[in-house]
Amino acid sequence: DVKVTQSSRYLVKRTGEKVFLECVQDMDHENMFWYRQDPGLGLRLIYFSYDVKMKEKGDIPEGYSVSREKKERFSLILESASTNQTSMYLCASTGVGGRGETQYFGPGTRLLVL
Amino acid sequence: EDQVTQSPEALRLQEGESSSLNCSYTVSGLRGLFWYRQDPGKGPEFLFTLYSAGEEKEKERLKATLTKKESFLHITAPKPEDSATYLCAVQAYGQNFVFGPGTRLSVLP
Repeated sequence: DVKVTQSSRYLVKRTGEKVFLECVQDMDHENMFWYRQDPGLGLRLIYFSYDVKMKEKGDIPEGYSVSREKKERFSLILESASTNQTSMYLCASTGVGGRGETQYFGPGTRLLVL
Repeated sequence: EDQVTQSPEALRLQEGESSSLNCSYTVSGLRGLFWYRQDPGKGPEFLFTLYSAGEEKEKERLKATLTKKESFLHITAPKPEDSATYLCAVQAYGQNFVFGPGTRLSVLP
């Protein structure tokens, strides 16, 4: 079974704090993704990575950065947290090749920025 | 632009009352259509991948079908534990996933 884990289930941070969200997958997947999910807006792609040290902007990258130093780990960084970044953050990973790249998700991190 | 819509937005069923959820899509070059189940406060759980029109997949009380424009998730004799939000996503060749807004299913005992 594919396992994607996220470092925290719940986080409460203050405006202006630097926030790190960690994601680890154990299936040797090349591709990793960060989404945020908000009521009425669905899943929106923030950043993704197809290889170590490689990153690509998704649909809503503003206010976020990422780091992928090792294949199994993909970090999302909020440089200076703001209240509009309160959301559910979901990490996903996929392998390469085959007919389709099924995305497997972690349990999510619910972030509250006060 | 690739788009995914899902209907209904919410569905309430009595236990044992079969029904279908719809996922309509527009995409140039479908690589795959994916169904997920999401429980409140948790990450989406993968259910099915469909690749081409006419394909069907089944798992317990769930059956997914695919045409060139839409996919259906049929739920036969649902139970309360089937209550969840069901998400549909499509992937075109060389593109990222596009997710639909989901259908919130409630199955009452």
